[in-house]
Amino acid sequence: GAVVSQHPSWVICKSGTSVKIECRSLDFQATTMFWYRQFPKQSLMLMATSNEGSKATYEQGVEKDKFLINHASLTLSTLTVTSAHPEDSSFYICSAQSGGGDEQFFGPGTRLTVL
Amino acid sequence: AQSVTQLGSHVSVSEGALVLLRCNYSSSVPPYLFWYVQYPNQGLQLLLKYTSAATLVKGINGFEAEFKKSETSFHLTKPSAHMSDAAEYFCAVNSASKIIFGSGTRLSIRP
Repeated sequence: GAVVSQHPSWVICKSGTSVKIECRSLDFQATTMFWYRQFPKQSLMLMATSNEGSKATYEQGVEKDKFLINHASLTLSTLTVTSAHPEDSSFYICSAQSGGGDEQFFGPGTRLTVL
Repeated sequence: AQSVTQLGSHVSVSEGALVLLRCNYSSSVPPYLFWYVQYPNQGLQLLLKYTSAATLVKGINGFEAEFKKSETSFHLTKPSAHMSDAAEYFCAVNSASKIIFGSGTRLSIRP
């Protein structure tokens, strides 16, 4: 149990375009989802926390207008990178947490490359 | 604020040797601590977690970690390394419902 999927697993896009990444909890209801980014050979940095049905809470330094997060249901959250630039190229990982639980379950990640 | 520090960005051991990955935490309250493993181009998998029930925590794949309050440490060990253990390992602490990750330690296994 506790499986989280991400789609797509990798994406290449041109500079200036927008890219949407989906995060789904397959066998549980995720009241909270988290989005992280990971640069090569570095640790995971939390970008934002989203609770179902409410606005996401962004970490300091993360542009909310650039990284749009939607958590419209208990099983789906989306991250949209708007007007992507090469410096946005990274590995994006989501995690999901059920209500009352202390454990986060991680998705397999999405590698974004912006040309 | 709670944080974790991983000593050693890269550890290399021989197959069959003891694995020791170091993690120290900083917390003003009893922490929840985690060890995760990440294989190349994949997400994170939970190895084990400490939630104050027992100081010695056993996890998957033969790994275990011991919570030592006096040393503010939560080192990860495995008695005998396998080639399949080669991966990136992250120590993490739960802070205000968020998980704060250490910088990671890459474990290499020599044949």
